[in-house]
Amino acid sequence: GENVEQHPSTLSVQEGDSAVIKCTYSDSASNYFPWYKQELGKGPQLIIDIRSNVGEKKDQRIAVTLNKTAKHFSLHITETQPEDSAVYFCAASMGSGGSNYKLTFGKGTLLTVNP
Amino acid sequence: KAGVTQTPRYLIKTRGQQVTLSCSPISGHRSVSWYQQTPGQGLQFLFEYFSETQRNKGNFPGRFSGRQFSNSRSEMNVSTLELGDSALYLCASSPAVMNYGYTFGSGTRLTVV
Repeated sequence: GENVEQHPSTLSVQEGDSAVIKCTYSDSASNYFPWYKQELGKGPQLIIDIRSNVGEKKDQRIAVTLNKTAKHFSLHITETQPEDSAVYFCAASMGSGGSNYKLTFGKGTLLTVNP
Repeated sequence: KAGVTQTPRYLIKTRGQQVTLSCSPISGHRSVSWYQQTPGQGLQFLFEYFSETQRNKGNFPGRFSGRQFSNSRSEMNVSTLELGDSALYLCASSPAVMNYGYTFGSGTRLTVV
């Protein structure tokens, strides 16, 4: 089955700096890669996603890049703010096709933005 | 627009008991998935339902079961609870057949003592 590795497990940055979180996946059939942000006491919140026919996607301060050949994708947060502090999860799935209707998650990255 | 609603938010049960958790998806969403979140194993897929049919099941013992009703609401049941079942159980819904854009609820925190 699919396996998703996520690095680093913890990341501390100064406010205004950029943060990068990287994930690799094992199943070349995966074609959908969402990123979730989870704050304490809440469920994961979808912040951005990318499909395999796209190499990069941006939404304001957040961007995701995908390298299908190398089977890795990354989350980039620019101009970080204290409210960006949370646990971030990457995931992979077969969004279309096949019968693998599930998300396989990385272990998460605890991002701390220091004021 | 109401989000995914999970009830109850917190539960404390004794080993050997059974428990039923409930999930109401976003209106119009027909796909509902359940995940277990623990500090050690992270987020793990339990099962997924679409139009009352279980389409996929994760690697959990048969003590874990679920169902979906005609209004897309879903329940999951865990029988003969074990201490290791203590976890945050998350429900997610998606509007389409394809599993894009899952929205998660806040979860049910189950503690087994």
